[in-house]
Amino acid sequence: KNEVEQSPQNLTAQEGEFITINCSYSVGISALHWLQQHPGGGIVSLFMLSSGKKKHGRLIATINIQEKHSSLHITASHPRDSAVYICAVRSWDFGNEKLTFGTGTRLTIIP
Amino acid sequence: DAGITQSPRYKITETGRQVTLMCHQTWSHSYMFWYRQDLGHGLRLIYYSAAADITDKGEVPDGYVVSRSKTENFPLTLESATRSQTSVYFCASSETRGPYEQYFGPGTRLTVT
Repeated sequence: KNEVEQSPQNLTAQEGEFITINCSYSVGISALHWLQQHPGGGIVSLFMLSSGKKKHGRLIATINIQEKHSSLHITASHPRDSAVYICAVRSWDFGNEKLTFGTGTRLTIIP
Repeated sequence: DAGITQSPRYKITETGRQVTLMCHQTWSHSYMFWYRQDLGHGLRLIYYSAAADITDKGEVPDGYVVSRSKTENFPLTLESATRSQTSVYFCASSETRGPYEQYFGPGTRLTVT
């Protein structure tokens, strides 16, 4: 079982829909990251959070440490939101901090 | 230009050849990282560097060599390329290795024939 599981793997929605992408992890973490990878391949960091909720524009990220679960929400989705969204968790491994990535959720927003 | 750049962006090479992928950052970040991205896998860490002349192995280091003689550069060398090393390679940098954001380069798509 992967340490980081994302669901769904693929998501297609109509423009304007509310989007939820989920991330579950199995280890204790110090922080969780949400990243966005556009079709051109570039990866940008959206959020880093260790508790509660963060909001940036139409994007909202939440985390529940007890349940080892995070969600990324997109309100009023737009075709330009089409991308792969990647969850990554920071955890400790034999005294070293490591970053473990999920395999990503491919989001397609249809006009 | 400011930021993190990678070169080449695309590379096709033959099995057994040596290939070097370049990474350059202008922020003077201490930490730099090399990842590979393959279908069905999340990004996997190959090597990282905490500072000039300090490097350490990540999750999948076999077949790769790194060096960091200057803070801004972190080249990744495939000593004898194999087909299993066909992948997209991303370089990243961050101020520390702690819970700080990592900034990613645009990636290098490498095909080994």
